[in-house]
Amino acid sequence: GEDVEQSLFLSVREGDSSVINCTYTDSSSTYLYWYKQEPGAGLQLLTYIFSNMDMKQDQRLTVLLNKKDKHLSLRIADTQTGDSAIYFCAEEEGSGAGSYQLTFGKGTKLSVIP
Amino acid sequence: KAGVTQTPRYLIKTRGQQVTLSCSPISGHRSVSWYQQTPGQGLQFLFEYFSETQRNKGNFPGRFSGRQFSNSRSEMNVSTLELGDSALYLCASSGQLQETQYFGPGTRLLVL
Repeated sequence: GEDVEQSLFLSVREGDSSVINCTYTDSSSTYLYWYKQEPGAGLQLLTYIFSNMDMKQDQRLTVLLNKKDKHLSLRIADTQTGDSAIYFCAEEEGSGAGSYQLTFGKGTKLSVIP
Repeated sequence: KAGVTQTPRYLIKTRGQQVTLSCSPISGHRSVSWYQQTPGQGLQFLFEYFSETQRNKGNFPGRFSGRQFSNSRSEMNVSTLELGDSALYLCASSGQLQETQYFGPGTRLLVL
């Protein structure tokens, strides 16, 4: 099956940039996603990138995609204490018949130090 | 537009019982997917429904089943509960032309 790898922990100081890295295996994925999960909550879609793009920027978030190395990163500029959460990278896998399922990494727990 | 809603939010059951969880997708979304989240296994795909038909299924035993109604609301059922079924069950919906999945808050199931 497909596999998505992420480092488990990241600690940054408030105001610094955070970079969360992810490697994936399914080269046929059309979209790659970043989700955020706060304690006791569901998954919040942060951003996604189409596989033919190298970069996508959305306010404080920058996603970089290296398709050759199957490497995805999420940069959060000016990290705030409210950004403390678990961040999941996900690749989509098509099963045919128009159905897609997401394969998630284990999540990176971001801790922001005031 | 209201988001994905799931009921109940919390549930406590005992081994051997069965449970039914409900998910209402975003208005206009016809695809509903279910995922199980546990500390050990992380997030795992259970199944996906579209227009009342199961289109895709993950690697879970037959005790896990689901259905979708004509208004796109979906239910999942777990029979003969085991301790290992304790998890956060997440539902996600997506539109017909856009695959992006939007998640609900989840139902936290505890099996004693």
